[in-house]
Amino acid sequence: EIVLTQSPATLSLSPGERATLSCRASQSVSSYLAWYQQKPGQAPRLLIYDASNRATGIPARFSGSGSGTDFTLTISSLEPEDFAVYYCQQRSNWPPTTFGQGTRLEIK
Amino acid sequence: QVQLQESGPGLVKPSGTLSLTCAVSGGSISSSNWWSWVRQPPGKGLEWIGEIYHSGSTNYNPSLKSRVTISVDKSKNQFSLKLSSVTAADTAVYYCARVSGWSDLWGRGTLVTVSS
Repeated sequence: EIVLTQSPATLSLSPGERATLSCRASQSVSSYLAWYQQKPGQAPRLLIYDASNRATGIPARFSGSGSGTDFTLTISSLEPEDFAVYYCQQRSNWPPTTFGQGTRLEIK
Repeated sequence: QVQLQESGPGLVKPSGTLSLTCAVSGGSISSSNWWSWVRQPPGKGLEWIGEIYHSGSTNYNPSLKSRVTISVDKSKNQFSLKLSSVTAADTAVYYCARVSGWSDLWGRGTLVTVSS
């Protein structure tokens, strides 16, 4: 099973700042990695798929990069609605598909 | 547009079987997608349970495989989850999701508590 490790666990930033979230895989997942956003009481929402493609309706301030074992989700300028928990997921080697443990992005 | 809605008992007794259904509306379950179940214990992360194609093909998480059955009912445009021999560790919000490569559409989730 591929283990995804996200860092940091919590990121404290202010609106307007740039956020950089990391996801590291225990073995190569090529580009088969996605990012999700989850707000309290809501289901996850797909943001980025295949490492760098924005899902439908996702603002351009969200971008993804990386391949192999190291991936990054960048939010170029934080909006108030961006403060949430972010998860990465791999589908390179499944079953099972696996998720990272999440990064909580909180307002500083 | 396509929507997913989970339903089922919110309380299950220990050693019992958890049964949930996900109704697909606004689209056909026979489209070229897989349909999955994901759960989230309170305050914790996401765990993939398994997925099914309309043909009946399934993939399960090996950690749960011995207790999980996912089935599809094309006549009702829905798919279902059964998880047997439940314990308190199975208490979670259970989500169904459409998988078109990735989980691009999710239900709102339903909380299932395992308690006597």
